[in-house]
Amino acid sequence: ELQVEESGGGLVKPGGSLRLSCAISGLIFSHAWVSWVRQAPGKGLEWVGLIKSQAMGTIKYGASVEGRFTLSRDDSKNKIYLDMSSLTSEDTAVYYCAHVDTDNGKFFLGQWGQGTLVIVSS
Amino acid sequence: VLTQSPGTLSLSPGQRATLSCRTSQSVSNNFLAWYQQVPGQAPRLLIYGASIRAPGIPVRFSGSGSGTDFTLSISRLEREDFALYYCHHYGDSLTFGGGTKVEI
Repeated sequence: ELQVEESGGGLVKPGGSLRLSCAISGLIFSHAWVSWVRQAPGKGLEWVGLIKSQAMGTIKYGASVEGRFTLSRDDSKNKIYLDMSSLTSEDTAVYYCAHVDTDNGKFFLGQWGQGTLVIVSS
Repeated sequence: VLTQSPGTLSLSPGQRATLSCRTSQSVSNNFLAWYQQVPGQAPRLLIYGASIRAPGIPVRFSGSGSGTDFTLSISRLEREDFALYYCHHYGDSLTFGGGTKVEI
């Protein structure tokens, strides 16, 4: 069974940095594509970034985090990392990690973690 | 851009719900999905490929549409269906609609 679990959320001061982790089990991790999506309090879903397998080497970011957030992966640990810097109150949100699944040419976010809360406040 | 309507749908259990998602450009059905989110929980995949139910999703949920107009229908609402629904396009960037709240 595929399982996704985020960790690393917490309270951080404006201008600070934080690293989130996403652990995925139940699949060949080195092949996994993973996306991060966030949800500010009372708001909708916002795409943060996408990291494909190391073999494909593609990493993309949403416009609001480009240049401040960095995605990476450690396939030996079955983990994806989201390094966030220059944080502002606008980055306060629940951050979800989701597995990008495919089915005969169709792409979608098949399995989501429960999310980790990031609060940016002084 | 994905535009969902209505913003809120007020219905009773047993009624049919019809949710709309309009894209600013024509998109392939292969990359259009719908998610359900119960408050306090993570989103859950309902429909992918515009019309394919995800494993374990009840048959009362159905997706349709093509081009720029897509629809999620719930044939007879059950109490656990009152939630938020988001459409999603997997493109060069991933985009979500603003959501439709289905309330009692």
